[in-house]
Amino acid sequence: GEDVEQSLFLSVREGDSSVINCTYTDSSSTYLYWYKQEPGAGLQLLTYIFSNMDMKQDQRLTVLLNKKDKHLSLRIADTQTGDSAIYFCAEKPGGSYIPTFGRGTSLIVHP
Amino acid sequence: EAGVVQSPRYKIIEKKQPVAFWCNPISGHNTLYWYRQNLGQGPELLIRYENEEAVDDSQLPKDRFSAERLKGVDSTLKIQPAELGDSAVYLCASSLEGLIRQGDNNEQFFGPGTRLTVL
Repeated sequence: GEDVEQSLFLSVREGDSSVINCTYTDSSSTYLYWYKQEPGAGLQLLTYIFSNMDMKQDQRLTVLLNKKDKHLSLRIADTQTGDSAIYFCAEKPGGSYIPTFGRGTSLIVHP
Repeated sequence: EAGVVQSPRYKIIEKKQPVAFWCNPISGHNTLYWYRQNLGQGPELLIRYENEEAVDDSQLPKDRFSAERLKGVDSTLKIQPAELGDSAVYLCASSLEGLIRQGDNNEQFFGPGTRLTVL
């Protein structure tokens, strides 16, 4: 079965980098996602990585994928107070329509 | 372009009462999803529609939950009767097409959700 694990909380100072980590179990996963959820809002897709990639960078966001260890991370450079939200890691196994979500990591950015 | 629209945004009801949620997906999106998100958890799929056909409803508690997508556009999700454990955020999402090919991302776009509180 599929299982996605994340740490529940992360607190960083404004301007520092944030690194949110995730582990997954399904070796057939083709896509791995990072979503952001602000209070009272739905999930917003931030970025995704295809399983044949090791890294993807998009402005302040860097995704690293270690397929051997089934470990995914999201690095946010120069973290701002507006980055405070819950970040969900999700995997989508090959041939599946539906991603499996982790429980989310609550990122708190303080001045 | 308008995103996925859901209403109401909040609903408070007493147990055993019925409740309905409405979703309008992004124009042109054939696939529609209903998820339930419990507090402190990620979303879990309840039902997926391809146009007007429910193609995956294995996680929908059919004794009290029902859904429809008339004309393959808007959708409603109903709970009757509601129980205390149904308190959650109900998220609707849509994607452009459901046909999966190896390598398809098939990105889902989420609405803001309906927060249901059952007292």
